[in-house]
Amino acid sequence: GAVVSQHPSWVICKSGTSVKIECRSLDFQATTMFWYRQFPKQSLMLMATSNEGSKATYEQGVEKDKFLINHASLTLSTLTVTSAHPEDSSFYICSAKGDRLYEQYFGPGTRLTVT
Amino acid sequence: QKEVEQNSGPLSVPEGAIASLNCTYSDRGSQSFFWYRQYSGKSPELIMSIYSNGDKEDGRFTAQLNKASQYVSLLIRDSQPSDSATYLCAVNFSGNTGKLIFGQGTTLQVKP
Repeated sequence: GAVVSQHPSWVICKSGTSVKIECRSLDFQATTMFWYRQFPKQSLMLMATSNEGSKATYEQGVEKDKFLINHASLTLSTLTVTSAHPEDSSFYICSAKGDRLYEQYFGPGTRLTVT
Repeated sequence: QKEVEQNSGPLSVPEGAIASLNCTYSDRGSQSFFWYRQYSGKSPELIMSIYSNGDKEDGRFTAQLNKASQYVSLLIRDSQPSDSATYLCAVNFSGNTGKLIFGQGTTLQVKP
């Protein structure tokens, strides 16, 4: 139980384009999902918290107009990186938490490379 | 500021030994504590959660929590080379949102 999927697992895009990453909870309803970014040899950095049906809460320093988050259902959240630049290249990971689960379960991550 | 501290390592142990990973946290009101394992290039995997003072055992893993000392640890018995990974300690400071604060992680190397 508590399986989270992400799609795509890797993506290469050109500078200036937008990329959408999907995060799905496969066997439970996730009232809250979290988006993280991780640079090589660094720890996870929380970008935002998204609750189903409401606006995401962004961490300090994260541009909400650049990283658009939508949590339209209890099993799906999306992160759109708009006008991507090479410095946005990173490993993006989502996690999901249900009301009856204390733990967060992570998706497999999406490796984004912006050329 | 709410913080979670871990020694970055690397911690090197021989195969078959006990590996001891430690974590301290700053918020005395914290209620939920987690250990995640992250292999290089992969996402974190939950291996243990602990909510009450004392020990919690699951196979070769034992989590230990001491809220008075604001200290949580993970013991890995009979360490295997496949246990070589980065271990992340995470603390839920805000019980309602489930937001986790992660430590920097400890890199464990188990040498055959």
